[in-house]
Amino acid sequence: NAGVTQTPKFQVLKTGQSMTLQCAQDMNHEYMSWYRQDPGMGLRLIHYSVGAGITDQGEVPNGYNVSRSTTEDFPLRLLSAAPSQTSVYFCASSYQPYGVPTEAFFGQGTRLTVV
Amino acid sequence: KNEVEQSPQNLTAQEGEFITINCSYSVGISALHWLQQHPGGGIVSLFMLSSGKKKHGRLIATINIQEKHSSLHITASHPRDSAVYICAVTFGNEKLTFGTGTRLTIIP
Repeated sequence: NAGVTQTPKFQVLKTGQSMTLQCAQDMNHEYMSWYRQDPGMGLRLIHYSVGAGITDQGEVPNGYNVSRSTTEDFPLRLLSAAPSQTSVYFCASSYQPYGVPTEAFFGQGTRLTVV
Repeated sequence: KNEVEQSPQNLTAQEGEFITINCSYSVGISALHWLQQHPGGGIVSLFMLSSGKKKHGRLIATINIQEKHSSLHITASHPRDSAVYICAVTFGNEKLTFGTGTRLTIIP
């Protein structure tokens, strides 16, 4: 089935560890993005990409890296995990950048706990 | 600052009731999205609209561009409608800005 696939669904890290959250879509969408969701706050943009080889920072990029080597994949890397990065992470994709109204497709989310 | 406000934050209703969730935004937008998030689950797009009204089953979304306001209505609510409903907008060429969500609980 077409959609956005995120892995893992749950992860516990120790402070200082690194890890990569995987995101893949099979809809040939150019625009992909990563958000974090924290209690009492709306989703906040971490990084986004408007196509393969192009990435840019969002609202809360510190402590995270991304790359976009293919249209399908957009992994999010935590360089040195901190308790402040405990959150639920969502990957999303859409056909065009959000400047032109298009439907957004979201992954199932990754619940990350940093201890 | 571009902002999105949702109300109410929490809503509990009896099965069968008509539900309204509101979303207001601060400046002109290019599109507004209504999203649904079930507990522990992913986020699903319900509607995207830039004017007028859209309907899908028991769900209706309206937007008033002049008043900078949108509503999501659920008719004949059911316990399976229990979820967090999120409003998100795009301001011009900027990225999505999200509201904090409305937690809806439908009691059988």
